[in-house]
Amino acid sequence: KQEVTQIPAALSVPEGENLVLNCSFTDSAIYNLQWFRQDPGKGLTSLLLIQSSQREQTSGRLNASLDKSSGRSTLYIAASQPGDSATYLCAVNEDNQGGKLIFGQGTELSVKP
Amino acid sequence: KAGVTQTPRYLIKTRGQQVTLSCSPISGHRSVSWYQQTPGQGLQFLFEYFSETQRNKGNFPGRFSGRQFSNSRSEMNVSTLELGDSALYLCASSLPGAEKLFFGSGTQLSVL
Repeated sequence: KQEVTQIPAALSVPEGENLVLNCSFTDSAIYNLQWFRQDPGKGLTSLLLIQSSQREQTSGRLNASLDKSSGRSTLYIAASQPGDSATYLCAVNEDNQGGKLIFGQGTELSVKP
Repeated sequence: KAGVTQTPRYLIKTRGQQVTLSCSPISGHRSVSWYQQTPGQGLQFLFEYFSETQRNKGNFPGRFSGRQFSNSRSEMNVSTLELGDSALYLCASSLPGAEKLFFGSGTQLSVL
């Protein structure tokens, strides 16, 4: 059974710092991996999607990497800002049907001004 | 382009009642998935519908059910509510295939 783990559970950094969020999964037979952001009481916003054949994806200050063989992904946030404060979730998709994701518990990020 | 719309935004029910939640996907998206989010269990997959057919189902009791209409709008129903059903229920839509999921803002259900 696939399990997704995110470390750390919470992280507090000063504004401007570069940071890395970690995600690990137990079964490397994934189709893709997505990183999401969730603000309190709100839905999820998709940040980056990495297909299993890809190594990384970039969007602005965000860079996500995927090492399928070791069951790991990282989300790198450059020059963090207070507006980046949110919970970040990673999720794996094990088939090509699209709708069934297995989520980690998330990392709650706080960026202090 | 309008996003995923979920109604109602908040709902308060008592134990034993039933509830129906609604989700309108992004125009052109035919896949709709439902998730339950609680502080203890995190985000858990409930079920997915595609072209009015349930394509995938999570590990939830039969009290949780859903359906999808010909216009891709979806509803989920929870019967005989229990206190533990209190959660944020999220709906997501996507294009066919394993593409990005787009989530709605959710329905916050409180069972008293």
